[in-house]
Amino acid sequence: QSVLTQPPSTSGTPGQRVTISCSGSSSNIGSNTVNWYQQLPGTAPKLLIYSNNQRPSGVPDRFSGSKSGTSASLAISGLQSEDEADYYCAAWDDSLNGQVFGTGTKVTVL
Amino acid sequence: QLQLQESGPGLVKPSETLSLTCTVSGGSISSPTYYWGWVRQPPGKGLEWIGSIYYSGSTYYNPSLKSRVTMSVDTSMNQFSLKLTSVTAADTAVYYCAAARYCSGGSCYPSIRKNWFDPWGQGTLVTVSS
Repeated sequence: QSVLTQPPSTSGTPGQRVTISCSGSSSNIGSNTVNWYQQLPGTAPKLLIYSNNQRPSGVPDRFSGSKSGTSASLAISGLQSEDEADYYCAAWDDSLNGQVFGTGTKVTVL
Repeated sequence: QLQLQESGPGLVKPSETLSLTCTVSGGSISSPTYYWGWVRQPPGKGLEWIGSIYYSGSTYYNPSLKSRVTMSVDTSMNQFSLKLTSVTAADTAVYYCAAARYCSGGSCYPSIRKNWFDPWGQGTLVTVSS
């Protein structure tokens, strides 16, 4: 049912850079800002990136976000074991007149 | 610092109404800069937005749930609530409440299209079963 598509999983070794894509359409990512959430195992989601590329205070600068057209990306550089989590993109959809979340991506640190 | 806490029955029978409350502390639910939202997550699955409400009572609901959802605000108790009618097993999920707002240039606004959810409550598991 999600209108924002993410890869189900990605992985990397400590220190590597990984990226997660979020593909949408003109009614959501194409016309609104994108936020990213990190969900550590067994915990509530936590805001990671807001307004496409802004980090809340306390979020390491290893995390960065970008948006181009109807797609967005989250990059994690210098991957650490504590980054192992599920990551979700989100945006407002003007056609649905509601918030939509991405399908989620599980990041595994090898 | 704003904190949210969900409360309500952990078990609901099929066809009955799921009712949850979110208590806000560390801030006022009447703050003009916040929307208040509900998001759910079925076991092992992704996040689904249920709806958002402004302190004035203005609401936005997920179109797929709209016919069964009602959200309300109780400013005297600093709480907001969710009611979901005619539940089935498909409504079994962890239900999260969250605060949402948009900030730019040092000021914050209640923009439903631009806001983000922060912070979130810890979540409460609701199981639909007879």
